[in-house]
Amino acid sequence: EAGVAQSPRYKIIEKRQSVAFWCNPISGHATLYWYQQILGQGPKLLIQFQNNGVVDDSQLPKDRFSAERLKGVDSTLKIQPAKLEDSAVYLCASSLAAGVNEQFFGPGTRLTVL
Amino acid sequence: AQTVTQSQPEMSVQEAETVTLSCTYDTSESDYYLFWYKQPPSRQMILVIRQEAYKQQNATENRFSVNFQKAAKSFSLKISDSQLGDAAMYFCAYRSGNTGNQFYFGTGTSLTVIP
Repeated sequence: EAGVAQSPRYKIIEKRQSVAFWCNPISGHATLYWYQQILGQGPKLLIQFQNNGVVDDSQLPKDRFSAERLKGVDSTLKIQPAKLEDSAVYLCASSLAAGVNEQFFGPGTRLTVL
Repeated sequence: AQTVTQSQPEMSVQEAETVTLSCTYDTSESDYYLFWYKQPPSRQMILVIRQEAYKQQNATENRFSVNFQKAAKSFSLKISDSQLGDAAMYFCAYRSGNTGNQFYFGTGTSLTVIP
């Protein structure tokens, strides 16, 4: 079974630039999560999708972050414009359904904002 | 929001020995789930073990076991017969059984295994 795929693995941008991350969850997984993991901290949920609908985006900085999952499969997370404090690893995870305990994580995208 | 605290930023253990990682959490709920995740340097986080709060019996997965003390809100992970491949960041996480699916993670413990 293929795992959660993410790309790119690494990205370096300058502040005020835009960046987008892509995630392909495990086939058949209805629930998709985006996390931000700042160095030295645990992952923090940014947004959760159930199929193509948003379940929770309470911690997403909506003035600069956006995410979509148009067909209920792949998802993209965008930052526009980026700030220095956005430097982090962005993790995507998926689970079979909402409320199912096990989340499967992708390898993450390490973003450096200069 | 619930908080999860891991008070040991770094731990080390000799190969084949036993190590215990600590985790405490704060909640007013009675129905919840607790997890330990392992994040090796490659950054792919994997589930190590989970515990349902309503179960009194401590969860065990091969060399990994937990000591779940509900009244004390403590959830420690014991790794027996430590192996070099156990070296990683370990995160404790909490999920409510009532109010949704958000996971709350601790800040992690970096485990070094000494050959």
